[in-house]
Amino acid sequence: GIQVEQSPPDLILQEGANSTLRCNFSDSVNNLQWFHQNPWGQLINLFYIPSGTKQNGRLSATTVATERYSLLYISSSQTTDSGVYFCALLLNTGFQKLVFGTGTRLLVSP
Amino acid sequence: GAGVSQTPSNKVTEKGKYVELRCDPISGHTALYWYRQSLGQGPEFLIYFQGTGAADDSGLPNDRFFAVRPEGSVSTLKIQRTERGDSAVYLCASSPTGAGGYTFGSGTRLTVV
Repeated sequence: GIQVEQSPPDLILQEGANSTLRCNFSDSVNNLQWFHQNPWGQLINLFYIPSGTKQNGRLSATTVATERYSLLYISSSQTTDSGVYFCALLLNTGFQKLVFGTGTRLLVSP
Repeated sequence: GAGVSQTPSNKVTEKGKYVELRCDPISGHTALYWYRQSLGQGPEFLIYFQGTGAADDSGLPNDRFFAVRPEGSVSTLKIQRTERGDSAVYLCASSPTGAGGYTFGSGTRLTVV
């Protein structure tokens, strides 16, 4: 089946620092999403990004589908950014089923 | 409702017991999904409903797991003869049509002792 790998697995940042999270995938896909899972377990959709670049405040994402990777940029990190970041691929199997990556656990310290 | 609601938020049960986990999706969302998240892993697909019917149950690990959505709204995930390996967070999500636009609930943390 399709493989979705994320790096780094763990990341510790000082508040205010910038970071880049990477998602590599093994096959062509219809679409890709980035999620943030907060410390209470809630999964929040950040971006729905099949290709190109999108920005939302301090966060931006870029997907290069032909090279099978996506990047999530976090600028001026805040302690509330802590949690686990997942990329998830949308497989169009008649409905859009999500295949999640391994996740990047981020801790932003004050 | 305003979001996807899951109850209970935590459930501890003894090995061999039967459990039911409930998901109340966003009103009007026809698509409903169950995922399971083990410690340190990403969520894994279990089953998808479109309306009242299970359109894809290929992710259910074995026949101890079953889910229903009798009226096309609330869904119940049922686990028989629970095992310690069933311990995980069970997540529910809904979307308007099944073509993206997912909203996840906060999950039910199941612990089998």
